[in-house]
Amino acid sequence: EAGVAQSPRYKIIEKRQSVAFWCNPISGHATLYWYQQILGQGPKLLIQFQNNGVVDDSQLPKDRFSAERLKGVDSTLKIQPAKLEDSAVYLCASRPPGETQYFGPGTRLLVL
Amino acid sequence: GENVEQHPSTLSVQEGDSAVIKCTYSDSASNYFPWYKQELGKGPQLIIDIRSNVGEKKDQRIAVTLNKTAKHFSLHITETQPEDSAVYFCAVYAGGTSYGKLTFGQGTILTVHP
Repeated sequence: EAGVAQSPRYKIIEKRQSVAFWCNPISGHATLYWYQQILGQGPKLLIQFQNNGVVDDSQLPKDRFSAERLKGVDSTLKIQPAKLEDSAVYLCASRPPGETQYFGPGTRLLVL
Repeated sequence: GENVEQHPSTLSVQEGDSAVIKCTYSDSASNYFPWYKQELGKGPQLIIDIRSNVGEKKDQRIAVTLNKTAKHFSLHITETQPEDSAVYFCAVYAGGTSYGKLTFGQGTILTVHP
């Protein structure tokens, strides 16, 4: 069974530029999460989707971050404009019915 | 919201020794407690989990214990090997099977010296 796919794996941008990340969850997983992991910390939830609807985006900085999950499968996370403090690893995870989440390899973002 | 504290932040052991990592949580409604291992440049990988109706679970060299009354749970790794070196995260799940979410601890850097 294929795992969660993410792209790109690495991205370097300058502050105030925009960037987008893509996630393809495990087939059949209705729930999808985006996490931000700052160096030396645990992952922090940004947004949770159930199919193509948002369940929880309470910790998403909505003035600069946006996410969508069209057709309830793939998802994109966008940052516009980026700030230095957005440098982090952005992790996508998906979940079948139950509690266990499966993580992708992450996208490492460096904002200069 | 949920608060998860994880200790120690770093742990160094000799190959063959045991390693123990502890986490405490605040929300008594939490009902699922996974542990993840994250190697350099990779995403977190589930290594073991336990549910609130179980006090202990073991899988080969890895075990997890849960004390719901005290709101803490621990990861035990026996006979450590160099390939066990990684960052370990505890997490706590609260909410229903459809809308629940995980809150992670701060992580423990485990180094196993040959």
